[in-house]
Amino acid sequence: GESVGLHLPTLSVQEGDNSIINCAYSNSASDYFIWYKQESGKGPQFIIDIRSNMDKRQGQRVTVLLNKTVKHLSLQIAATQPGDSAVYFCAEGFSQAAGNKLTFGGGTRVLVKP
Amino acid sequence: EPEVTQTPSHQVTQMGQEVILRCVPISNHLYFYWYRQILGQKVEFLVSFYNNEISEKSEIFDDQFSVERPDGSNFTLKIRSTKLEDSAMYFCASSEALMGPTRQYFGPGTRLTVT
Repeated sequence: GESVGLHLPTLSVQEGDNSIINCAYSNSASDYFIWYKQESGKGPQFIIDIRSNMDKRQGQRVTVLLNKTVKHLSLQIAATQPGDSAVYFCAEGFSQAAGNKLTFGGGTRVLVKP
Repeated sequence: EPEVTQTPSHQVTQMGQEVILRCVPISNHLYFYWYRQILGQKVEFLVSFYNNEISEKSEIFDDQFSVERPDGSNFTLKIRSTKLEDSAMYFCASSEALMGPTRQYFGPGTRLTVT
């Protein structure tokens, strides 16, 4: 979703629990979606991506779910670890648009409590 | 895993000065991008570049900005006359796909501070 300024939604999770991060995307024509993790002072790091012909994709400890009907994307992290503490961004892309640009959402901060 | 590199990591400049931010994309990639992130805000697309020309640019990317691939490995972003509001993290990214959005690999960023 949208986030302006310094305030980010924050998800506090106990180490070992599962995390679910949600994202509402804006363009119903978007057909590519990606999750990035950003640690303080670093660039976005790829987590997982999914195309619109799928509604679920799994990676190592992560699952992305796509609901095109309500334009919603979620990232599930299993057995959350302290190293998962970061800001998580979803981004969308549209294959018919020139330039392959990604449009980023506002981000969610995940804090893992030991 | 292959990496995008960027230099410098931090650039401080005075308002009105020109700055050039440098990037070395992943060697077999075909698409190159610049994004920026103002402190505490989301990542914003600036420009994409393919086959030695701009593919798409955002409204942020006005006449003060330019990009160049001066040789086979570097990709640069130039801001001709910096403004205070240009202060941000600037990320370079690259991707290998010829057409359509795909995973973009981001560099560590250059923090630009305009005083």
